[in-house]
Amino acid sequence: QKEVEQNSGPLSVPEGAIASLNCTYSDRGSQSFFWYRQYSGKSPELIMSIYSNGDKEDGRFTAQLNKASQYVSLLIRDSQPSDSATYLCAVNKGSRDDKIIFGKGTRLHILP
Amino acid sequence: DGGITQSPKYLFRKEGQNVTLSCEQNLNHDAMYWYRQDPGQGLRLIYYSQIVNDFQKGDIAEGYSVSREKKESFPLTVTSAQKNPTAFYLCASSLYRGGTGELFFGEGSRLTVL
Repeated sequence: QKEVEQNSGPLSVPEGAIASLNCTYSDRGSQSFFWYRQYSGKSPELIMSIYSNGDKEDGRFTAQLNKASQYVSLLIRDSQPSDSATYLCAVNKGSRDDKIIFGKGTRLHILP
Repeated sequence: DGGITQSPKYLFRKEGQNVTLSCEQNLNHDAMYWYRQDPGQGLRLIYYSQIVNDFQKGDIAEGYSVSREKKESFPLTVTSAQKNPTAFYLCASSLYRGGTGELFFGEGSRLTVL
């Protein structure tokens, strides 16, 4: 079982709709969870971090964490063409070990 | 401005040569990381360091070496033992040790082996 799994996509979403990106992780002791956005040819940039169960909202972005199901998601409301990118889910495995593992990423395409 | 500087941005190497990729940060971050990215593969962890003079292997450390002699610097050497070194290499840093991990990335170095 891979440590962090994401559907590679591409996920196509009409402009203005909600994009839903999902991620599962294997290590039940994982402490911190992150979503990064990566445009083609560029380095990743942090969008959201979440540390406890529930929802965390920041502008058009909402991160959701369910530790019991080992599941993290990212919702993007009112999707814009500029949201077209690869979204990487990342997990920090523990409080004494800063090993941060990434999924393969989901390519998101917003249709104008 | 604070940030992470990677150099060179593009590097060509002949087979059998070692190359060193530079990573410098002026963010006063404790932890630093090296990742490798291949098309469609996401980011794979090579090495990481939480404090000066200490570092740990990631998932694909074979054929690579690092040092952390200064807090600001975490160079990566790609040795001739690395079988398929052509890739996009990303250096990142994180402010706190222990359970966080909000990474700031450099612009990356693209290595091509001829």
